[in-house]
Amino acid sequence: KNEVEQSPQNLTAQEGEFITINCSYSVGISALHWLQQHPGGGIVSLFMLSSGKKKHGRLIATINIQEKHSSLHITASHPRDSAVYICAVRLSSASKLTFGTGTRLQVTL
Amino acid sequence: DTAVSQTPKYLVTQMGNDKSIKCEQNLGHDTMYWYKQDSKKFLKIMFSYNNKELIINETVPNRFSPKSPDKAHLNLHINSLELGDSAVYFCASSQGVGSTLTGELFFGEGSRLTVL
Repeated sequence: KNEVEQSPQNLTAQEGEFITINCSYSVGISALHWLQQHPGGGIVSLFMLSSGKKKHGRLIATINIQEKHSSLHITASHPRDSAVYICAVRLSSASKLTFGTGTRLQVTL
Repeated sequence: DTAVSQTPKYLVTQMGNDKSIKCEQNLGHDTMYWYKQDSKKFLKIMFSYNNKELIINETVPNRFSPKSPDKAHLNLHINSLELGDSAVYFCASSQGVGSTLTGELFFGEGSRLTVL
């Protein structure tokens, strides 16, 4: 079992819909990252958070340390949001990141 | 101006060959990483260097040898390539490491290696 689980694995939404992607982890962490990988392959870091909530444009990331859970929300989704979204955690005891398997999002017109 | 750049972007080679992938970052970061992304798109850390010093060395065959001539460069050399080495290799950088990590990761565009 992976230490980082994401759900759903695949998600299709219509333009304008509110989207939520979930990430659960089983160990103590010092930080959690949300990454975006477009079909072209490049990876972009969206957020790094260790508590609370962060917002950037239409993207919001929240984390609940006690429940070992984070969510990534996209408001007013757009086809250009279509990508794979990856959750990664930095363990408290280690320097490395452990990655989830990603959520593939397709936003249609 | 590209922050983290990798070369080459595509590499097709025969089994048994030796190849290198180069990575450079112009962000002034002190930590660099190599990640491998397999065919199922799962990312896994291979190596990490902080100020030219190896700090993470995951269970990677010793055919893979990272080299960091300075903190802006981290190259990956692979000897005796095997079919299973086919993957996309991503370089990344950050400022700080572990508990001293102060910012996000910046990734290169990836180097797609195909071993025939």
